[in-house]
Amino acid sequence: GAVVSQHPSWVICKSGTSVKIECRSLDFQATTMFWYRQFPKQSLMLMATSNEGSKATYEQGVEKDKFLINHASLTLSTLTVTSAHPEDSSFYICSARKFESGTYNEQFFGPGTRLTVL
Amino acid sequence: GEDVEQSLFLSVREGDSSVINCTYTDSSSTYLYWYKQEPGAGLQLLTYIFSNMDMKQDQRLTVLLNKKDKHLSLRIADTQTGDSAIYFCADGFTDKLIFGTGTRLQVFP
Repeated sequence: GAVVSQHPSWVICKSGTSVKIECRSLDFQATTMFWYRQFPKQSLMLMATSNEGSKATYEQGVEKDKFLINHASLTLSTLTVTSAHPEDSSFYICSARKFESGTYNEQFFGPGTRLTVL
Repeated sequence: GEDVEQSLFLSVREGDSSVINCTYTDSSSTYLYWYKQEPGAGLQLLTYIFSNMDMKQDQRLTVLLNKKDKHLSLRIADTQTGDSAIYFCADGFTDKLIFGTGTRLQVFP
């Protein structure tokens, strides 16, 4: 299979604190991981593309100092929401692409993390 | 930039066929995808179609691609209550996936 996990599945934090979300590919190596944000009843918006061992590429309008991404290994990427505020409350979903995907851009999605900032 | 549009809602009776439509703007797409999202969960890949194909069938699912009109559809035969979910089409635009707005499918008995 191609299983992607996320931890935690949900988190509630106070405004001003930082929250780290982990994304792991459990049974395959992922050279590329993607982070998405989904607001209620809306589509997924790509936030950034994370390649193992290099800096993440952020989409236009996404603050890289606010959303820190680290892809330290072929099976783990982390997203840290720094100094979170209520407007950062959202459903964050990661996906991972297999190392041998070639031109076929199949992404395997994690179950998502619901962040609520009070 | 690339834009992918879907109708927001579809309601069908159990046993009927469902057809979910999607339009996209990028003409250089290589693959187009259909994903299913159940409440509070991540996305599950249902099927995909290569851009040089017109149709692909996979059990109850049939994907039609009209590249000239940039129109993609997903037909679910014999729709069941377990098919109730949000369905996203996605355009494999370069290295990224650009998602449509999602169609909420509701199946009633």
